[in-house]
Amino acid sequence: QVNLVESGGGVVQPGGSLRVSCAASGFSFSNYGMHWVRQAPGKGPEWLAYIHYDVSNKYYADFVKGRFTISRDNSKSTVYLQMDSLRAEDTAIYYCVKDHCSKTDCYGKDYWGQGTLVTVSS
Amino acid sequence: DIVMTQSPDSLAVSLGERATINCKSSQSVLYSSNNKNYLAWYQQKAGQPPKVLIYWASTRESGVPDRFSGSGSGTDFTLTISSLQAEDVAVYYCQQYYSYRTFGQGTKVEIK
Repeated sequence: QVNLVESGGGVVQPGGSLRVSCAASGFSFSNYGMHWVRQAPGKGPEWLAYIHYDVSNKYYADFVKGRFTISRDNSKSTVYLQMDSLRAEDTAIYYCVKDHCSKTDCYGKDYWGQGTLVTVSS
Repeated sequence: DIVMTQSPDSLAVSLGERATINCKSSQSVLYSSNNKNYLAWYQQKAGQPPKVLIYWASTRESGVPDRFSGSGSGTDFTLTISSLQAEDVAVYYCQQYYSYRTFGQGTKVEIK
């Protein structure tokens, strides 16, 4: 079954950087695009970024462009989110999400990990 | 960007009664090539990640009780809980996946 395990969260000072990772298993990772979504305390989920299955394309929410970078290593079945110039408002649980479309078909349902908490505070 | 707007923001329903949540998208999420609506409903309980209940606007996820149903097409969608149970207390989100992902603001469902 699909398993997504995020790691790398923690406490970071404003202006600092952090990289969170998501290790995937239970499916053919290199055939699926991947997303990062976050959820601030008491707020709804918020999409951040998407990377195509073959790394050919990356897309970002406007409010993280230039600060966050999504990447993946298909040999390690892992997707990353590098976060720079962090602000207090970036405090959230960060989830990786498997896209519902493979290279060849779409199934309608995303899969979510359990998330990793990032706290930006001095 | 596609904006998703849910109503109401909160809802108190008696046990066994019907709960209805509406979701409106700022543009159609119906993909003409496959005639599918790229709309999902999620349930989120405290301290847990969102859990998918419904996808393709009306397809119930495996294991989800049949008291949950989704309907609608184009820009207007509804999640119905036909007979509210205590374990259904949660926040419910609609989400479009026609263009990246955007979520409604959430509807908090409580017991009256």
